Amino acid sequence: GNSVTQMEGPVTLSEEAFLTINCTYTATGYPSLFWYVQYPGEGLQLLLKATKADDKGSNKGFEATYRKETTSFHLEKGSVQVSDSAVYFCALTGSSASKIIFGSGTRLSIRP
Amino acid sequence: DAMVIQNPRYQVTQFGKPVTLSCSQTLNHNVMYWYQQKSSQAPKLLFHYYDKDFNNEADTPDNFQSRRPNTSFCFLDIRSPGLGDTAMYLCATRTSDEKLFFGSGTQLSVL
Repeated sequence: GNSVTQMEGPVTLSEEAFLTINCTYTATGYPSLFWYVQYPGEGLQLLLKATKADDKGSNKGFEATYRKETTSFHLEKGSVQVSDSAVYFCALTGSSASKIIFGSGTRLSIRP
Repeated sequence: DAMVIQNPRYQVTQFGKPVTLSCSQTLNHNVMYWYQQKSSQAPKLLFHYYDKDFNNEADTPDNFQSRRPNTSFCFLDIRSPGLGDTAMYLCATRTSDEKLFFGSGTQLSVL
């Protein structure tokens, strides 16, 4: 079945540093790809999505591009802030479009 | 205003004592999900509803049941909780363009 593998954390960066969190996927067909963020004590929130090859999702300064040739959907941000500290989950639609499958999450901590 | 509401926020139960977690939504979405998230792990899909159609994941234990009496409400019943069922339980709804809206979760502790 469809699955997603993401970079293990934790990742610790200084404020204003460049961020990359790697995500690769295995899928049959053409899944939609997502990044979700989870702040402490809260549920997950959709950060961005992409539905087809070469689509770029973006939100709050974060970007990710759907790369079919490398089966990747890496999350990037040019200048991180302390408020970006959270756990980030890469996800994709499963064999059924109703199912969303999550990666194991990457904890990000930003130092002032 | 919260759109997916889970109650209670924290739940403590004893080993083997049935427990029910609740979820309500104001979004009128057809699809609702229950995920189990253990510490530092990915959310794991337990089951989902498309309207009243129930879809159980193959590896969801029989101990876990669900009810959806109407569009707005969905319940997770754990008939005989074990210590390994200690986790955060997340309810979510889905839009027609595949976006999930999550509640804040119920942290269940089985003692």
